Amino acid sequence: QVQLQQSGPGLVKPSQTLSLTCAISGDSVSSNSAAWNWIRQSPSRGLEWLGRTYYRSKWNNDYAVSVKSRMTINPDTSKNQFSLQLNSVTPEDTAVYYCAREGFTELNYYYYMDVWGKGTTVTVSS
Amino acid sequence: DIQMTQSPSSLSASVGDRVTITCRASQSIGSYLNWYQHKQGKAPNLLIYAASSFQGGVPSRFSGSGSGTDFTLTISSLQPEDFATYYCQQSYNTPYTFGQGTKLEIK
Repeated sequence: QVQLQQSGPGLVKPSQTLSLTCAISGDSVSSNSAAWNWIRQSPSRGLEWLGRTYYRSKWNNDYAVSVKSRMTINPDTSKNQFSLQLNSVTPEDTAVYYCAREGFTELNYYYYMDVWGKGTTVTVSS
Repeated sequence: DIQMTQSPSSLSASVGDRVTITCRASQSIGSYLNWYQHKQGKAPNLLIYAASSFQGGVPSRFSGSGSGTDFTLTISSLQPEDFATYYCQQSYNTPYTFGQGTKLEIK
C-alpha cells in the first residue's frame, strides 16, 4: 500500500522560503509509472495544482505558471522522497499543501492522482 | 489553462436521495476527467478517473459519465458518509485544473 508522509513547518515568514517534504513508502520516486505532485488548497483559490516531478529516462518537472519563477520540486532518490521549495512567500501562499502520486492507465494514458498525503497547513505571517 | 466549472456550488440533500453534480470544461478534454471526494481535515480521495472508471474500493453508488466538455458525477443513493465536497479535475494537460467544488450538505 502506497503512503505519503508530509513534513515541514506550519509557519513561514513573508519573503522567506517554504520547504515541504513528502516521503514515499510502497513505491519509488524513480518509478517510470508515476509522477509526484504538489497541490494546495486555500479559500480564495480552491484546489490549485502547483507542479510535479517524474522520471522517464531522465528527471522532468512541470510547474504552474503562477508559481514557476518561485518554485522548485526536487526528487531525493536516496531517501525516496520529493520536496517543494517556494521562495519569496507572501500571505497569499497561506494554504493547505498536499503531495500526491499521479498514476495513469496503460491504455490511453489517463492520468489521475490516486494517493495523497494528509496535508500540511502552512501559514505565511510575521 | 483549461477552466473547470462545477455546478451547483452547494447542494442540500437527504440520505437516500439521488444526486448529480456537473462539471464543464472550457475546451474539449476527451475523457481526461477525474472526480475526488474531500472531507474536512483529510486528504482528497479519488472516486472516478477517465470520466467513468471506478477507483478500487469506491462504492458502486458513485458513477461518472460524459466526454468532451460536459461531465457528471452521480450518487445513486446518498449515505451519511457521502456528505463532503466533490471536485472535478482535468488531466488532459498541465497545468492540471480543478473545479471550484460542490459542497454536499445534509438537508
